Amino acid sequence: DIVMTQSPDSLAVSLGERATISCKSSQSLLYSSDNQNYLGWYQQKPGQPPKLLIYWASNREFGVPDRFSGSGSGTDFTLTISSLQAEDVAVYYCQQYFSVPFTFGPGTKVHIK
Amino acid sequence: EVQVLESGGGLVQPGGSLRVSCAGSGFTFSNYAMTWVRQAPGKGLEWVSCISGGADGTYYADPVRGRFTISRDNSKNTLYLQMNTLTVEDTALYYCAKSRTGTSCYEGLEHWGLGTLVTVSS
Repeated sequence: DIVMTQSPDSLAVSLGERATISCKSSQSLLYSSDNQNYLGWYQQKPGQPPKLLIYWASNREFGVPDRFSGSGSGTDFTLTISSLQAEDVAVYYCQQYFSVPFTFGPGTKVHIK
Repeated sequence: EVQVLESGGGLVQPGGSLRVSCAGSGFTFSNYAMTWVRQAPGKGLEWVSCISGGADGTYYADPVRGRFTISRDNSKNTLYLQMNTLTVEDTALYYCAKSRTGTSCYEGLEHWGLGTLVTVSS
């Protein structure tokens, strides 16, 4: 199974400042046939289901604010919130869908400093 | 509007069985793979199972393989998860989610329901 790790576990950021979350996979998520990284990022606010933010590692889902961006390739990925807003307080998960089982990272909790 | 709505959760004794369902609306159900993800109280997300749009492919996480069966009835726009030999470790909120663009399970999960709670306890 592919193991997903995230860092940090928790992150306190001032409003308007940048938040950066790292996600690493135990093997490459880059599929050579289509040159896509099989990785997504999700946001889960308290009491709500997860919401897809980023797919194929760097494509923003429709309607997601452009302060959210994804980058990386292979085994190292990053989710960046360029200017943290109060409504961004949530737990953020990465997920690989390269091979079954499609494992999630343990999550990173983002809160306001 | 795309919606998925889970139902069927409840309290079940260890060793028991339960079937949860997920009704899809606002999209052509058979054109999309569907996935079950669970979340134990206070814990992270755990991928459980996925079925392709035409039900020709089914996939399971190791902890549930052989005990859980995923299926779908495209004529009823409904996804199912039959859970047998339940243990306390299966206690969780079970979400269903729709694949982002197509019939393959190898995609992000775009629309999620609110979940149905399964509690395994004596």
